[in-house]
Amino acid sequence: QKEVEQDPGPLSVPEGAIVSLNCTYSNSAFQYFMWYRQYSRKGPELLMYTYSSGNKEDGRFTAQVDKSSKYISLFIRDSQPSDSATYLCAMNKGAGGGSNYKLTFGKGTLLTVNP
Amino acid sequence: NAGVTQTPKFQVLKTGQSMTLQCAQDMNHEYMSWYRQDPGMGLRLIHYSVGAGITDQGEVPNGYNVSRSTTEDFPLRLLSAAPSQTSVYFCASRGQAEAFFGQGTRLTVV
Repeated sequence: QKEVEQDPGPLSVPEGAIVSLNCTYSNSAFQYFMWYRQYSRKGPELLMYTYSSGNKEDGRFTAQVDKSSKYISLFIRDSQPSDSATYLCAMNKGAGGGSNYKLTFGKGTLLTVNP
Repeated sequence: NAGVTQTPKFQVLKTGQSMTLQCAQDMNHEYMSWYRQDPGMGLRLIHYSVGAGITDQGEVPNGYNVSRSTTEDFPLRLLSAAPSQTSVYFCASRGQAEAFFGQGTRLTVV
C-alpha cells in the first residue's frame, strides 16, 4: 500500500461548482498536511497548511483533516477557470529534522474548471 | 522577496555530459531539497539537506550529487547525464513544516 493515495482525475467541473479533492494515507505518524497547486509548467505553490485534525479556511478554500480516518480533503467553493491546475497533497511527520523532514506527496489531481 | 530561485529554466544535454543545476533561497531556511517530477510518477525526492555541510539521499539519488556550503545555496550536479534523467527538476526550501518550491528546470538529455 502506498503511503499517500490521490485520485489522479482528471476532474472537470463547470464554473461555480464546489470541488472536493481528497487524499488518503496509511502512516498514522503524519502530523502536518499541505495542499499545493501547480499550474502547467510551473512549480508547486503552497495553498493550505494544517496541523493535525480539523478544518482550516482561507477564502474559497477549506482544508479538512480527519486523522482517525487517515483522510484529508480540499474544498474549493465557487470554482473559477483560474483554479484549473494540478492539486497535490503532501504530508510529513513533524517540524523537526532527520526522518521527520521528508515530505510525502500524492501524485496530484488534474482539475479543469470550464467557463 | 525572491523565495526560491532556480537556474537555468531549460537545458538540453548530450548523453555523458555533466552540469550543475543551481538553487538559491533567501528565507534563511535550514532545510532544502531536490525533486524530480515525471508524468505519472509524481514528485520524487533526490537529495536533501538539513543545514550547511549536511546532506542525505532521498528516493532516487543515483547519478546525482549535492553539496551545501552555505545556507542559501544547494546545487544539484549531474555527473554523467543519461536519457533517463530527462525530467523537470524542482528545488524546495522548507519552513517549519511546509516547503516552498522554485519554478523548475526542464532538462532534456539526448
